[in-house]
Amino acid sequence: AQKITQTQPGMFVQEKEAVTLDCTYDTSDPSYGLFWYKQPSSGEMIFLIYQGSYDQQNATEGRYSLNFQKARKSANLVISASQLGDSAMYFCAMRAYGNKLVFGAGTILRVKS
Amino acid sequence: NAGVTQTPKFQVLKTGQSMTLQCAQDMNHEYMSWYRQDPGMGLRLIHYSVGAGITDQGEVPNGYNVSRSTTEDFPLRLLSAAPSQTSVYFCASSRTPAGTNEKLFFGSGTQLSVL
Repeated sequence: AQKITQTQPGMFVQEKEAVTLDCTYDTSDPSYGLFWYKQPSSGEMIFLIYQGSYDQQNATEGRYSLNFQKARKSANLVISASQLGDSAMYFCAMRAYGNKLVFGAGTILRVKS
Repeated sequence: NAGVTQTPKFQVLKTGQSMTLQCAQDMNHEYMSWYRQDPGMGLRLIHYSVGAGITDQGEVPNGYNVSRSTTEDFPLRLLSAAPSQTSVYFCASSRTPAGTNEKLFFGSGTQLSVL
């Protein structure tokens, strides 16, 4: 069975600082993809970044990077230079064999000015 | 581009009523799915479809029906609404069903309250 665990219900970060949102996963499939989505207060789901299980390098997308540690089964999201607009709910998700995208419970991030 | 369109955005039902949440995508995506979002539980998969005429159950299918008669549409039916079905519902699609790198495109969500 596939499982995603996000252990931080809520996080605070000072504006312009970096923050790491934790995500661990569990799967027995050798091929899988890891995703992060952002959900602002408006409710939409916004795709941020993707990491494949066979990718040799950590994924980066602008201020977002994914710290992928395969042996530890972790896929932490790092947001650099936080902005007020980064305040949102963040979901880690995994897609493996069987088509389904499985989500974690989410982490609420609040950026302080 | 419309992407994934969900209707309605808000709905209030009485216990026992039935209704259909509509979902349509204009990207010719093979894979479509329905999730519900509840506080502290993330998004949980209700039903999904890998193509027209093919549907399967997700993690929390009880009380919901789906059908996929066309590539574009994937309606979710609540047969007899219960207060436990109060939630935010998301429809999502991806280009193909098989790729582990296929990200989901989400609709804007439907906030459902069952009284």
